[in-house]
Amino acid sequence: ILNVEQSPQSLHVQEGDSTNFTCSFPSSNFYALHWYRWETAKSPEALFVMTLNGDEKKKGRISATLNTKEGYSYLYIKGSQPEDSATYLCAGRGGNFNKFYFGSGTKLNVKP
Amino acid sequence: DGGITQSPKYLFRKEGQNVTLSCEQNLNHDAMYWYRQDPGQGLRLIYYSQIVNDFQKGDIAEGYSVSREKKESFPLTVTSAQKNPTAFYLCASSPSQGALNGYTFGSGTRLTVV
Repeated sequence: ILNVEQSPQSLHVQEGDSTNFTCSFPSSNFYALHWYRWETAKSPEALFVMTLNGDEKKKGRISATLNTKEGYSYLYIKGSQPEDSATYLCAGRGGNFNKFYFGSGTKLNVKP
Repeated sequence: DGGITQSPKYLFRKEGQNVTLSCEQNLNHDAMYWYRQDPGQGLRLIYYSQIVNDFQKGDIAEGYSVSREKKESFPLTVTSAQKNPTAFYLCASSPSQGALNGYTFGSGTRLTVV
C-alpha cells in the first residue's frame, strides 16, 4: 500500500485569501499523482495529472507543483472564492503498483 | 452527456442481507473501480476491472463481490460477510489503467445497515 497523506485536514479562509495545502507520498518509485476537487453532493472532479519532477500545472486560479525527489505536491488557490469551497483529494501511484492510493483530503471552506 | 451513474443514492439494508450497488458508464472507458469512504479516511479500493470479464481485488475486497459482464456496467454486491458495510461507496472509471488517465467518478451511494 502506498501511504499518501494530506495536510491540513481542514482549512478556513476568507474570500480573497490565497491558500495552499500539501500532499505527501513516498518518493521512492514514484509514478504519478492526481489532484481532485470534490464539492459536497457532487462527484469528485479531476483537476491535475502530474508525473514529472518540477511539473507545474494551472487551471484558472488553481495551480499545483510536484516534487518527486522529496515526495510532495502543493496545491495553490489564488484569491479564494466561496465557490472554491470543497474537499481537495490527491491520489498517488508508485511504479510497483497498478492502482492509485488516495489521501484523506483537505476540506477548504471559504467565507464570504 | 457522458458520465457515470450510480444508483441508488441512499440504500438501507438489514443485517444479514446482500445488497447490490449499480454503476453504469457511457464513456467507453475500459477500466472501472469501486472505492469505499469512511469518515476521516481516504478512499479505499475495493475492486477494479481493466477489461470486460476480468477484475481484481483491491485493498479491502473481503465481504464484497463484483462482475464485469458488460463494458458499461460494474455492479458491486455487499454481502452479509462484510462486517462493517455502512459507508459511502464511489464508482469510478478511466480510459485505461494508465497513470496519465484521471478518473471520472459517479456521485456515490450511501449504504446504511439497520
